[in-house]
Amino acid sequence: EPEVTQTPSHQVTQMGQEVILRCVPISNHLYFYWYRQILGQKVEFLVSFYNNEISEKSEIFDDQFSVERPDGSNFTLKIRSTKLEDSAMYFCASSVSQGRRSPLHFGNGTRLTVT
Amino acid sequence: GESVGLHLPTLSVQEGDNSIINCAYSNSASDYFIWYKQESGKGPQFIIDIRSNMDKRQGQRVTVLLNKTVKHLSLQIAATQPGDSAVYFCAEREGGYSTLTFGKGTMLLVSP
Repeated sequence: EPEVTQTPSHQVTQMGQEVILRCVPISNHLYFYWYRQILGQKVEFLVSFYNNEISEKSEIFDDQFSVERPDGSNFTLKIRSTKLEDSAMYFCASSVSQGRRSPLHFGNGTRLTVT
Repeated sequence: GESVGLHLPTLSVQEGDNSIINCAYSNSASDYFIWYKQESGKGPQFIIDIRSNMDKRQGQRVTVLLNKTVKHLSLQIAATQPGDSAVYFCAEREGGYSTLTFGKGTMLLVSP
């Protein structure tokens, strides 16, 4: 079964550094997402992306965040200047469409630790 | 020290029992609902979904019930197995939007 893959599985960085989290969505999917989950808490929406532009974003997704689809397969999340509170699991997801009966399929996440 | 996250509601059952996990949602404009299972160290895994024009949908060993009047969603797991132990999240989506909003999650513990 096709799956969403994310790399790296764990990223440790120092406060103020830039990180790029990478994702390869399922190949025939058109909508891409980033979510995050702080330890022990619920999964929170960050951003959705379609047709090479952001379609929706949350309040969490401020100017330090950006997304890009640099080629036909990768989807990246960049955090420009990391803060301690950015430590979380970051999940990439994709879906065929945004219509009903189009569930999001998630990767296994990147654990980001900011020290 | 390490910060402590929110305590999740926990449902403990014996292997073979039926489990019912409940979820209350708040957005009356939501028209699509999904249950996800999250095992430790993994991403949310799709279990079953339901549109708002239905009140019940069955899958393999799982049933989702939707009560729009009271904005309540439930997941029933038949003959629960140790491999079902995980955190279960409901998620909702408002019509016309792609964003899924997740609930707080329930931990299901299945003992043999």
